[in-house]
Amino acid sequence: GQNIDQPTEMTATEGAIVQINCTYQTSGFNGLFWYQQHAGEAPTFLSYNVLDGLEEKGRFSSFLSRSKGYSYLLLKELQMKDSASYLCAVVGGGSYIPTFGRGTSLIVHP
Amino acid sequence: DSGVTQTPKHLITATGQRVTLRCSPRSGDLSVYWYQQSLDQGLQFLIQYYNGEERAKGNILERFSAQQFPDLHSELNLSSLELGDSALYFCASSTRGLAGSTDTQYFGPGTRLTVL
Repeated sequence: GQNIDQPTEMTATEGAIVQINCTYQTSGFNGLFWYQQHAGEAPTFLSYNVLDGLEEKGRFSSFLSRSKGYSYLLLKELQMKDSASYLCAVVGGGSYIPTFGRGTSLIVHP
Repeated sequence: DSGVTQTPKHLITATGQRVTLRCSPRSGDLSVYWYQQSLDQGLQFLIQYYNGEERAKGNILERFSAQQFPDLHSELNLSSLELGDSALYFCASSTRGLAGSTDTQYFGPGTRLTVL
């Protein structure tokens, strides 16, 4: 199986930049997803990385280093609506179904 | 809006009862996945169906079962309910969902199950 580690909670200020880290251990790595989930709502897809490097999509960017088993999600120009849980999910271990981490709860304050 | 629909939104029932949760995938998606999310466990994969057939099983209890119908909607049946089954149940769908492909899953709004 996969072992996925994310910080439980982070706080940041509106307008700032925050980086949410995810480390993982798996065999046969086949990709990493980031999802955003507001409390009580559905996870929504943010990004998918399978190759090393940075993928930028508007205010959100995601980075992957396969050799280090490490990814981060970078959120710029934080807004109050970015307060949510951010889930890192890894595909590997011979399965094509992602295993989700426990998520990082991000609190953005004024 | 992901295009995945789930009913009902909320469900309150008693221990020992049986309930059915329903999911309709995005138009054109062949795979449906069921997940359970509780506060202490995170998002746990239960089961996947592809084009009507069971394709992958996760941490699904024997008291739980699912099926996917010819019109591709899916139902998750939970029986002999226990207090610990109280959770959010999400359905997700993807285009394919087969070995060798890594599809993005799109999640429905979920069903909040409360067992009293």
